[in-house]
Amino acid sequence: SAVISQKPSRDICQRGTSLTIQCQVDSQVTMMFWYRQQPGQSLTLIATANQGSEATYESGFVIDKFPISRPNLTFSTLTVSNMSPEDSSIYLCSSQRESSYNEQFFGPGTRLTVL
Amino acid sequence: EDQVTQSPEALRLQEGESSSLNCSYTVSGLRGLFWYRQDPGKGPEFLFTLYSAGEEKEKERLKATLTKKESFLHITAPKPEDSATYLCAATSGGSYIPTFGRGTSLIVHP
Repeated sequence: SAVISQKPSRDICQRGTSLTIQCQVDSQVTMMFWYRQQPGQSLTLIATANQGSEATYESGFVIDKFPISRPNLTFSTLTVSNMSPEDSSIYLCSSQRESSYNEQFFGPGTRLTVL
Repeated sequence: EDQVTQSPEALRLQEGESSSLNCSYTVSGLRGLFWYRQDPGKGPEFLFTLYSAGEEKEKERLKATLTKKESFLHITAPKPEDSATYLCAATSGGSYIPTFGRGTSLIVHP
């Protein structure tokens, strides 16, 4: 299994600002993902972070709002841009062995509150 | 469209009172069925993967089983520390990315 860390663990931000969340995996995994989990809800996939190329976004999520970088096999960032209170949520990073139907492993999450 | 439905949404048990959580799935060609535990304010913690009907896996007081339409997470003689939200997810032949259910919130009272 992979061990995943995220920074920051939580933040309180003002409307209109941006926050970048970092995700570090302890091994060279392969597939990395970003999820959002709103209070009392399940996980919603934002995008797949692709190493060396643009992320693949799910319906309802766009690059201008959630730019993602993945410069190598163990690190990725998610930026939440021009934030509004509706962006208040827990953001989760996960990893999965490439081209497999195996389980994903999740980071501890970043709890974001937008005022 | 793949769907994963969990029931009940919430479950309250007394310590020692065994029960089961249900996960019904509708996917085109199940490839993997996953169970996770999520504590408040934390990321999901992986518990089990099941690949084919009839498969069972156990870990301490938890046992996961799989049929062609659903999976059960059996909790035997639960303790208060088993209180958490339990998430179910499934991958199908069309994608490596799992579809998650909404979870069952379990509270075990001492």
